[in-house]
Amino acid sequence: DAGITQSPRHKVTETGTPVTLRCHQTENHRYMYWYRQDPGHGLRLIHYSYGVKDTDKGEVSDGYSVSRSKTEDFLLTLESATSSQTSVYFCAISVGGKNYGYTFGSGTRLTVV
Amino acid sequence: GQQVMQIPQYQHVQEGEDFTTYCNSSTTLSNIQWYKQRPGGHPVFLIQLVKSGEVKKQKRLTFQFGEAKKNSSLHITATQTTDVGTYFCAGTHNAGNMLTFGGGTRLMVKP
Repeated sequence: DAGITQSPRHKVTETGTPVTLRCHQTENHRYMYWYRQDPGHGLRLIHYSYGVKDTDKGEVSDGYSVSRSKTEDFLLTLESATSSQTSVYFCAISVGGKNYGYTFGSGTRLTVV
Repeated sequence: GQQVMQIPQYQHVQEGEDFTTYCNSSTTLSNIQWYKQRPGGHPVFLIQLVKSGEVKKQKRLTFQFGEAKKNSSLHITATQTTDVGTYFCAGTHNAGNMLTFGGGTRLMVKP
Protein backbone atom coordinates (compact mmCIF):
# COMPACT_ATOMS: atom_id res chain seq x y z
CA ASP A 1 0.00 0.00 0.00
CA ALA A 2 1.35 3.41 -1.07
CA GLY A 3 4.94 2.17 -0.70
CA ILE A 4 5.12 2.14 3.09
CA THR A 5 7.30 -0.40 4.85
CA GLN A 6 8.12 -0.99 8.48
CA SER A 7 11.15 -2.71 9.90
CA PRO A 8 11.71 -4.93 11.68
CA ARG A 9 8.46 -6.91 11.50
CA HIS A 10 9.13 -8.66 14.77
CA LYS A 11 11.51 -7.90 17.59
CA VAL A 12 12.17 -9.24 21.05
CA THR A 13 14.25 -7.05 23.31
CA GLU A 14 15.21 -6.86 26.95
CA THR A 15 13.93 -4.35 29.46
CA GLY A 16 16.10 -1.26 29.61
CA THR A 17 17.53 -1.47 26.11
CA PRO A 18 16.93 1.18 23.46
CA VAL A 19 14.98 0.10 20.40
CA THR A 20 14.44 1.90 17.09
CA LEU A 21 11.65 1.08 14.68
CA ARG A 22 11.77 2.35 11.14
CA CYS A 23 9.02 3.51 8.82
CA HIS A 24 9.93 4.12 5.20
CA GLN A 25 7.74 5.54 2.44
CA THR A 26 8.53 5.92 -1.22
CA GLU A 27 5.93 8.51 -2.29
CA ASN A 28 7.12 11.71 -0.63
CA HIS A 29 4.06 12.15 1.59
CA ARG A 30 4.33 14.91 4.13
CA TYR A 31 2.28 13.52 7.01
CA MET A 32 3.45 10.48 8.95
CA TYR A 33 2.25 8.95 12.22
CA TRP A 34 3.22 6.29 14.74
CA TYR A 35 0.50 4.33 16.56
CA ARG A 36 0.51 1.50 19.01
CA GLN A 37 -2.25 -1.09 19.14
CA ASP A 38 -3.10 -2.98 22.30
CA PRO A 39 -6.09 -5.17 23.14
CA GLY A 40 -8.87 -3.07 24.61
CA HIS A 41 -7.24 0.23 23.62
CA GLY A 42 -7.57 0.35 19.87
CA LEU A 43 -5.04 2.52 18.10
CA ARG A 44 -3.33 5.24 20.09
CA LEU A 45 -1.19 7.97 18.59
CA ILE A 46 2.39 8.13 19.87
CA HIS A 47 4.02 10.83 17.71
CA TYR A 48 3.41 12.42 14.36
CA SER A 49 5.29 14.45 11.79
CA TYR A 50 4.24 17.09 9.30
CA GLY A 51 7.56 17.20 7.53
CA VAL A 52 11.31 16.99 7.90
CA LYS A 53 12.30 17.91 11.45
CA ASP A 54 8.68 18.81 12.24
CA THR A 55 7.37 16.37 14.83
CA ASP A 56 5.00 16.50 17.76
CA LYS A 57 3.65 14.35 20.57
CA GLY A 58 0.50 12.28 20.50
CA GLU A 59 -1.55 11.00 23.41
CA VAL A 60 0.88 8.27 24.57
CA SER A 61 4.30 9.78 23.89
CA ASP A 62 6.01 9.14 27.24
CA GLY A 63 9.03 6.86 26.80
CA TYR A 64 9.16 7.42 23.04
CA SER A 65 11.03 9.79 20.78
CA VAL A 66 10.96 10.24 17.03
CA SER A 67 13.10 11.68 14.31
CA ARG A 68 12.48 12.65 10.72
CA SER A 69 15.65 13.79 9.01
CA LYS A 70 14.40 12.78 5.55
CA THR A 71 10.90 12.91 4.10
CA GLU A 72 10.87 9.18 3.48
CA ASP A 73 11.94 7.96 6.93
CA PHE A 74 10.19 8.33 10.28
CA LEU A 75 11.98 6.63 13.16
CA LEU A 76 10.45 5.70 16.49
CA THR A 77 12.82 5.12 19.41
CA LEU A 78 12.01 3.54 22.73
CA GLU A 79 14.64 5.13 24.86
CA SER A 80 14.68 2.41 27.52
CA ALA A 81 12.20 -0.34 26.72
CA THR A 82 9.75 -1.47 29.39
CA SER A 83 7.33 -4.39 29.44
CA SER A 84 4.42 -1.95 29.12
CA GLN A 85 5.75 -1.08 25.67
CA THR A 86 5.13 -4.60 24.41
CA SER A 87 2.72 -3.89 21.60
CA VAL A 88 2.12 -3.83 17.89
CA TYR A 89 3.39 -0.59 16.37
CA PHE A 90 1.93 0.81 13.18
CA CYS A 91 3.25 3.59 11.05
CA ALA A 92 0.79 5.47 8.88
CA ILE A 93 0.94 8.09 6.16
CA SER A 94 -1.83 10.45 5.17
CA VAL A 95 -2.11 10.21 1.42
CA GLY A 96 -5.01 12.57 0.89
CA GLY A 97 -3.77 15.45 2.97
CA LYS A 98 -3.58 16.01 6.68
CA ASN A 99 -5.59 13.44 8.64
CA TYR A 100 -7.31 12.01 5.59
CA GLY A 101 -7.35 8.37 4.58
CA TYR A 102 -4.40 6.91 6.41
CA THR A 103 -2.40 4.14 4.79
CA PHE A 104 -0.86 1.90 7.40
CA GLY A 105 2.30 -0.16 7.28
CA SER A 106 2.22 -3.85 8.09
CA GLY A 107 3.25 -3.24 11.68
CA THR A 108 6.06 -4.23 14.02
CA ARG A 109 5.33 -6.68 16.80
CA LEU A 110 7.59 -5.73 19.70
CA THR A 111 8.01 -7.87 22.78
CA VAL A 112 9.93 -6.52 25.77
CA VAL A 113 11.05 -9.24 28.18
CA GLY B 1 -8.78 13.85 25.98
CA GLN B 2 -11.60 13.72 23.50
CA GLN B 3 -12.82 10.22 22.92
CA VAL B 4 -14.63 8.24 20.32
CA MET B 5 -16.60 5.32 21.72
CA GLN B 6 -17.50 2.33 19.61
CA ILE B 7 -19.99 -0.46 20.31
CA PRO B 8 -20.25 -3.36 20.43
CA GLN B 9 -16.74 -4.61 21.13
CA TYR B 10 -17.50 -8.00 19.63
CA GLN B 11 -20.22 -9.41 17.41
CA HIS B 12 -20.76 -12.98 16.30
CA VAL B 13 -23.16 -13.42 13.38
CA GLN B 14 -24.26 -16.25 11.17
CA GLU B 15 -23.24 -15.82 7.57
CA GLY B 16 -26.02 -13.98 5.78
CA GLU B 17 -27.11 -11.97 8.80
CA ASP B 18 -26.72 -8.22 8.98
CA PHE B 19 -24.21 -6.42 11.18
CA THR B 20 -24.00 -2.88 12.54
CA THR B 21 -21.33 -1.09 14.53
CA TYR B 22 -21.86 2.30 16.15
CA CYS B 23 -19.51 5.13 16.88
CA ASN B 24 -20.26 7.97 19.31
CA SER B 25 -18.55 11.16 20.38
CA SER B 26 -19.58 13.58 23.13
CA THR B 27 -18.49 16.50 20.96
CA THR B 28 -19.04 17.37 17.33
CA LEU B 29 -16.76 15.70 14.83
CA SER B 30 -15.34 17.44 11.77
CA ASN B 31 -15.30 14.15 9.93
CA ILE B 32 -15.50 10.41 10.54
CA GLN B 33 -13.44 7.74 8.87
CA TRP B 34 -13.86 3.97 8.86
CA TYR B 35 -11.16 1.34 8.68
CA LYS B 36 -11.13 -2.45 8.49
CA GLN B 37 -8.41 -4.63 9.96
CA ARG B 38 -8.29 -8.30 9.04
CA PRO B 39 -6.93 -10.69 11.69
CA GLY B 40 -3.15 -10.36 11.77
CA GLY B 41 -3.25 -7.46 9.34
CA HIS B 42 -3.12 -3.70 9.38
CA PRO B 43 -5.99 -1.21 9.28
CA VAL B 44 -7.21 -0.36 5.79
CA PHE B 45 -9.05 2.86 5.04
CA LEU B 46 -12.62 2.33 3.84
CA ILE B 47 -14.29 5.74 3.66
CA GLN B 48 -14.58 9.27 5.04
CA LEU B 49 -17.82 11.12 5.82
CA VAL B 50 -17.86 14.87 6.26
CA LYS B 51 -21.38 16.22 5.93
CA SER B 52 -24.16 16.13 8.49
CA GLY B 53 -26.55 13.27 7.70
CA GLU B 54 -24.29 11.91 4.98
CA VAL B 55 -24.86 8.34 3.80
CA LYS B 56 -22.45 6.46 1.58
CA LYS B 57 -22.56 2.93 0.26
CA GLN B 58 -19.90 0.51 -0.84
CA LYS B 59 -21.56 -2.65 -2.14
CA ARG B 60 -23.01 -4.30 1.00
CA LEU B 61 -21.57 -1.65 3.36
CA THR B 62 -23.58 1.43 4.31
CA PHE B 63 -21.95 4.26 6.26
CA GLN B 64 -23.91 7.02 7.98
CA PHE B 65 -22.89 10.25 9.70
CA GLY B 66 -25.40 11.58 12.18
CA GLU B 67 -27.24 14.86 11.79
CA ALA B 68 -25.45 16.32 14.81
CA LYS B 69 -22.10 14.96 13.57
CA LYS B 70 -21.59 13.20 16.89
CA ASN B 71 -22.27 9.64 15.81
CA SER B 72 -21.80 7.31 12.91
CA SER B 73 -22.64 3.77 11.94
CA LEU B 74 -21.43 1.08 9.60
CA HIS B 75 -24.00 -1.48 8.47
CA ILE B 76 -23.12 -4.62 6.55
CA THR B 77 -25.96 -6.40 4.77
CA ALA B 78 -25.85 -10.20 4.44
CA THR B 79 -22.44 -10.76 5.97
CA GLN B 80 -19.93 -13.05 4.34
CA THR B 81 -16.89 -14.79 5.82
CA THR B 82 -14.72 -12.27 4.01
CA ASP B 83 -16.20 -9.55 6.25
CA VAL B 84 -14.40 -10.99 9.27
CA GLY B 85 -12.16 -8.48 11.00
CA THR B 86 -12.17 -5.46 13.28
CA TYR B 87 -13.89 -2.30 12.14
CA PHE B 88 -12.63 1.00 13.50
CA CYS B 89 -14.14 4.42 13.32
CA ALA B 90 -11.89 7.43 13.66
CA GLY B 91 -12.80 11.08 13.92
CA THR B 92 -11.32 14.52 14.23
CA HIS B 93 -12.92 16.84 16.74
CA ASN B 94 -11.67 20.03 15.15
CA ALA B 95 -10.42 20.59 11.64
CA GLY B 96 -6.72 19.95 11.65
CA ASN B 97 -6.67 17.94 14.86
CA MET B 98 -5.46 14.41 15.09
CA LEU B 99 -7.61 11.43 14.28
CA THR B 100 -8.99 9.72 17.37
CA PHE B 101 -9.75 6.07 16.89
CA GLY B 102 -12.59 4.17 18.49
CA GLY B 103 -11.81 0.89 20.22
CA GLY B 104 -13.06 -1.16 17.29
CA THR B 105 -15.74 -3.80 16.80
CA ARG B 106 -14.52 -7.28 16.10
CA LEU B 107 -16.83 -9.10 13.70
CA MET B 108 -16.83 -12.89 13.57
CA VAL B 109 -18.91 -14.68 10.95
CA LYS B 110 -19.96 -18.32 11.25
CA PRO B 111 -20.23 -20.06 7.89
